[in-house]
Amino acid sequence: DTGVSQDPRHKITKRGQNVTFRCDPISEHNRLYWYRQTLGQGPEFLTYFQNEAQLEKSRLLSDRFSAERPKGSFSTLEIQRTEQGDSAMYLCASSPRTSGTDTQYFGPGTRLTVL
Amino acid sequence: GESVGLHLPTLSVQEGDNSIINCAYSNSASDYFIWYKQESGKGPQFIIDIRSNMDKRQGQRVTVLLNKTVKHLSLQIAATQPGDSAVYFCAENDTGRRALTFGSGTRLQVQP
Repeated sequence: DTGVSQDPRHKITKRGQNVTFRCDPISEHNRLYWYRQTLGQGPEFLTYFQNEAQLEKSRLLSDRFSAERPKGSFSTLEIQRTEQGDSAMYLCASSPRTSGTDTQYFGPGTRLTVL
Repeated sequence: GESVGLHLPTLSVQEGDNSIINCAYSNSASDYFIWYKQESGKGPQFIIDIRSNMDKRQGQRVTVLLNKTVKHLSLQIAATQPGDSAVYFCAENDTGRRALTFGSGTRLQVQP
């Protein structure tokens, strides 16, 4: 399978705990994106990397959230001191280009439940 | 499994009929549009895209129409099959940004 992969697929945690999710983009895709999706809504943009540089962040990305892509390949999204409002599906997408607009291909997502 | 789009608008069609799903967008600077299909418990799956210099684009059993004058996008699915049942989202992107802005989604139910 050469698509975007995410791990874990499901995460249940208690309020106040830290969680980390991993995304492996399609091989050689330069761009990587994180989105959040709540039930009944479309995905909402969180942040975007071109290679290892984080070039754009949404206001949704509070200071409890941090994302990295240290070698320009896989990425991690960490949420510190989780809150019940963080419960959502966290989606990762990747795209191949380094300029212009191109198609984003999504992974299966990580479903986070904060108790 | 989980359910995507519990309270979304629903389009119900008979197997074999054609389906038309509509989407309105508000950003006149948007120049790239994509339709995604999302099944329960899965990530959005790319269906078809169109750039703002085009009015129509066809794929296999799917056609996307873009009307920039009224900021309207539609997805037509020919000979709808039970496997087409899912939530469909339109997404837009404007020049200078990489983030996609998604619409609210439409649930398509195909009756056998």
